[in-house]
Amino acid sequence: KAGVTQTPRYLIKTRGQQVTLSCSPISGHRSVSWYQQTPGQGLQFLFEYFSETQRNKGNFPGRFSGRQFSNSRSEMNVSTLELGDSALYLCASSSLGLYHEQYFGPGTRLTVT
Amino acid sequence: QKEVEQDPGPLSVPEGAIVSLNCTYSNSAFQYFMWYRQYSRKGPELLMYTYSSGNKEDGRFTAQVDKSSKYISLFIRDSQPSDSATYLCAMGEGGKLIFGQGTELSVKP
Repeated sequence: KAGVTQTPRYLIKTRGQQVTLSCSPISGHRSVSWYQQTPGQGLQFLFEYFSETQRNKGNFPGRFSGRQFSNSRSEMNVSTLELGDSALYLCASSSLGLYHEQYFGPGTRLTVT
Repeated sequence: QKEVEQDPGPLSVPEGAIVSLNCTYSNSAFQYFMWYRQYSRKGPELLMYTYSSGNKEDGRFTAQVDKSSKYISLFIRDSQPSDSATYLCAMGEGGKLIFGQGTELSVKP
């Protein structure tokens, strides 16, 4: 079974721009969650989508948004990028959801200059 | 005060040692408790998952949850150099999932 894939793997953007990251879950998994990982704040939960609906949301500003398509693929968008948005963005998929076994992708490394 | 506290280490032990990793938390509503392992430049992978209190064993790994003390532990027996990684605790309930800062473990041959 193919694992979770994320594209692109690396991205450099300028402050004020917006960015869209993509995540393809393991086949059959309907839950996709997104996380931000930084050295200072560690791993933080952004949101979870299950069958195209946002089911849970972490404590991030509205500049961070996401969506899930009918094939369970998910995208995350960050608008009006700030320097502090530089991070590793990870997505994880699960057959049951946030509080069950999740499989993480390799992440997208976003650098904001 | 953070909702989940985890000693960042680093922790260095000789091969074969028993390793104890711990997290404390403040939110008594947490019901789901997990331990993840993250190798450098990789995404985290789930090691252990526990619902509510109690112990769970899987091979060389044992997870313990003490809800009365708001304390969870992960024990690694007969540690191997391949166990060298960052270990993250995670816990949640009601739409929240909170991770500890991670403990960096190094097992020396």
